[in-house]
Amino acid sequence: GAVVSQHPSWVICKSGTSVKIECRSLDFQATTMFWYRQFPKQSLMLMATSNEGSKATYEQGVEKDKFLINHASLTLSTLTVTSAHPEDSSFYICSAPRPGFNSPLHFGNGTRLTVT
Amino acid sequence: RKEVEQDPGPFNVPEGATVAFNCTYSNSASQSFFWYRQDCRKEPKLLMSVYSSGNEDGRFTAQLNRASQYISLLIRDSKLSDSATYLCVVTGPPGNQFYFGTGTSLTVIP
Repeated sequence: GAVVSQHPSWVICKSGTSVKIECRSLDFQATTMFWYRQFPKQSLMLMATSNEGSKATYEQGVEKDKFLINHASLTLSTLTVTSAHPEDSSFYICSAPRPGFNSPLHFGNGTRLTVT
Repeated sequence: RKEVEQDPGPFNVPEGATVAFNCTYSNSASQSFFWYRQDCRKEPKLLMSVYSSGNEDGRFTAQLNRASQYISLLIRDSKLSDSATYLCVVTGPPGNQFYFGTGTSLTVIP
């Protein structure tokens, strides 16, 4: 079964509104979670690394004031797309590594955001 | 230079064929290696970890060549359901960073 849960799976919102996406690790504690964006037929692009109890680390070119990340607990990270615009429409995916050496990443099921 | 390089394909192969993908990595200090499968409009899912001695899971064989710094994935007796994008992921410094290949697209044709 899933070890990382992401919600919602899809959302349609109007331009200018904000959308919050949740990512939860279900059976392990995740001090770090990753947020990605993927446009159709393109590769996953890392947006930011979410760190529990501290500020997220954003990749170059990702606006931290537009994509707000909060990692308030060891099992929950949230990504808020603020003042969404149609160009923000994309597939957003989170992932978390299970603790331990050589542990793989586990991905949430993704959130398909459509901004109209 | 990218941390992980992967041939994007596409690879179009007939059912029953054997197909292999390679993925090269640039940092000799890389620690862990994985193959993921991503179906269209879905999240990546772990296919298999890659161990130093090589490992097999049914029709899938993964190998690691540290000397040449690449990992490979071999799929035997391809099925239509194997059609997907295959991502290689490598971990390494600084810290335990995860580095992704761009993915290789595979289409198995009837």
